[in-house]
Amino acid sequence: DARVTQTPRHKVTEMGQEVTMRCQPILGHNTVFWYRQTMMQGLELLAYFRNRAPLDDSGMPKDRFSAEMPDATLATLKIQPSEPRDSAVYFCASGSGAGDSPLHFGNGTRLTVT
Amino acid sequence: AQTVTQSQPEMSVQEAETVTLSCTYDTSESNYYLFWYKQPPSRQMILVIRQEAYKQQNATENRFSVNFQKAAKSFSLKISDSQLGDTAMYFCAFMKRAGANNLFFGTGTRLTVIP
Repeated sequence: DARVTQTPRHKVTEMGQEVTMRCQPILGHNTVFWYRQTMMQGLELLAYFRNRAPLDDSGMPKDRFSAEMPDATLATLKIQPSEPRDSAVYFCASGSGAGDSPLHFGNGTRLTVT
Repeated sequence: AQTVTQSQPEMSVQEAETVTLSCTYDTSESNYYLFWYKQPPSRQMILVIRQEAYKQQNATENRFSVNFQKAAKSFSLKISDSQLGDTAMYFCAFMKRAGANNLFFGTGTRLTVIP
């Protein structure tokens, strides 16, 4: 059963530290999304890739967040420097790019910044 | 812009009973997809059911069915014979058919199934 794999599952770090979250999309999927989930804002889109190219990162704070896809099997989301308000669950999702194809989500990374 | 509204933050239902979760959306698109995702305490996002806007027939998946009213932009989820394992957050989501297949989510409804 193909799955989106996210690491780490949990991350606790101190304010100011760099955080890197990783995602392995489902093999053959050419779209990758990063979402952030908080109690206050719900699920927000941070970044979106198609064929490894960033198409939309308007939801991401540019000064501290960066998202990349070094290759088709790896997507990364970095926060530098991290702040307490970044505490959230970060989800990666992948899709085949077809309009009728649902997104498949990873299990998320719960980030706590103290 | 697309917006999805879930007006019921919390709901509860007795085991074996039926419950309906509401969702409305706003869009200028004519072709799109609608989804219900379930998020149990494990926080995994699980696809429950999907509906294609150009299909008039309501989608069903076992105990889950939808009532899709395109003119009213309404997309409710009915869960029949509720089970304890149905306890979760339920998110309604919208996806345009053309262009970026990003999901727009509602704020969710927390459903508790009571034994």
